[in-house]
Amino acid sequence: NAGVTQTPKFRVLKTGQSMTLLCAQDMNHEYMYWYRQDPGMGLRLIHYSVGEGTTAKGEVPDGYNVSRLKKQNFLLGLESAAPSQTSVYFCASSAWTSGGEQFFGPGTRLTVL
Amino acid sequence: SQQGEEDPQALSIQEGENATMNCSYKTSINNLQWYRQNSGRGLVHLILIRSNEREKHSGRLRVTLDTSKKSSSLLITASRAADTASYFCATGFIGGNEKLTFGTGTRLTIIP
Repeated sequence: NAGVTQTPKFRVLKTGQSMTLLCAQDMNHEYMYWYRQDPGMGLRLIHYSVGEGTTAKGEVPDGYNVSRLKKQNFLLGLESAAPSQTSVYFCASSAWTSGGEQFFGPGTRLTVL
Repeated sequence: SQQGEEDPQALSIQEGENATMNCSYKTSINNLQWYRQNSGRGLVHLILIRSNEREKHSGRLRVTLDTSKKSSSLLITASRAADTASYFCATGFIGGNEKLTFGTGTRLTIIP
């Protein structure tokens, strides 16, 4: 099992460009999450999904969109990147509700110039 | 806003010593979890303690939970160089079912 994988690992964008981050999990988990991690800030939830075809906003959703067309994939889109979106992005998945153990991907380091 | 706050922000100890880090949170919780993050990597789940539990052990890890004080502590005994990492607490809260809220982390350095 690969667990949770993220593509790409690194990316540099110019302000205003768009991109999509891909997260895939092979554990048949219902729940998937996108976080961003900034120095001294811990992890902040951007969007999450409780099942195929569903998405919900987290703590910092502005400037991001997500889609969960297949159970194993969770896409995070930046339509018009801004320097404030420079961060490390982590995807995670979990198998059950009420705050179950989350499994994390290796992260995507994004720089917006 | 962050639910959990870890204390201290950074901790350096000699190999073989015990390391203790603390987490405080604000709202009622279902459970509290601890995660480890090695530099440049994703987070790895260490241990989960439910709101009706007071103490839990896993190998060299001991976690306590005091819901009256809204606080938890993680003790790592007989530390090793490989324990060098950042440690985060995360709370699953009542009414927020699917989500965890992470603290800002403690950076632990084990000096060989």
